[in-house]
Amino acid sequence: AQKVTQAQTEISVVEKEDVTLDCVYETRDTTYYLFWYKQPPSGELVFLIRRNSFDEQNEISGRYSWNFQKSTSSFNFTITASQVVDSAVYFCALSETDSWGKLQFGAGTQVVVTP
Amino acid sequence: DGGITQSPKYLFRKEGQNVTLSCEQNLNHDAMYWYRQDPGQGLRLIYYSQIVNDFQKGDIAEGYSVSREKKESFPLTVTSAQKNPTAFYLCASSHREGLYNEQFFGPGTRLTVL
Repeated sequence: AQKVTQAQTEISVVEKEDVTLDCVYETRDTTYYLFWYKQPPSGELVFLIRRNSFDEQNEISGRYSWNFQKSTSSFNFTITASQVVDSAVYFCALSETDSWGKLQFGAGTQVVVTP
Repeated sequence: DGGITQSPKYLFRKEGQNVTLSCEQNLNHDAMYWYRQDPGQGLRLIYYSQIVNDFQKGDIAEGYSVSREKKESFPLTVTSAQKNPTAFYLCASSHREGLYNEQFFGPGTRLTVL
């Protein structure tokens, strides 16, 4: 069963528009971690954020913000005022206690930002 | 500069040949991982190692083998038993407590079987 679902395969926006990427996860653990990674065209994954299951505070880092809601098992990611450099594939991932922290990745969402 | 290096960046292989992908890290991380990525899909775990001389199978280990003789190195061999080896391979490392520590990734190796 898919543990991390990223239902949006591709999102296309024009520069300066906001874009929200959805991530829904499934776990029975009470302690778990959620991650977002960015994969630019070069291929290397870049870590963006980590959030543990006990911290539901939303977080903002520059133009990036994250909305964690345990009630809906979602960890959504918003890019505000998108730029062409934001074009990449974005992955959501889950780390559970009983799997020693092996990352379960979603299928990824391709974001295309055009000028 | 600390980081993870993978070589080569592109690799071509004939069917029936074994090939070894290199992964080296100088981050002093205990844990290392190998992932496979196919077009339009997320990453799938092949093998991982928590400590030197120890490694475990991931979700898709069949047709692959690894070794962990040094902390810095975790080479992956794609054997002829792997039915569909053409893919993008990513190596990663983290501090040993993998649950909450983020993984750092190398630039990847793109393997094409001719």
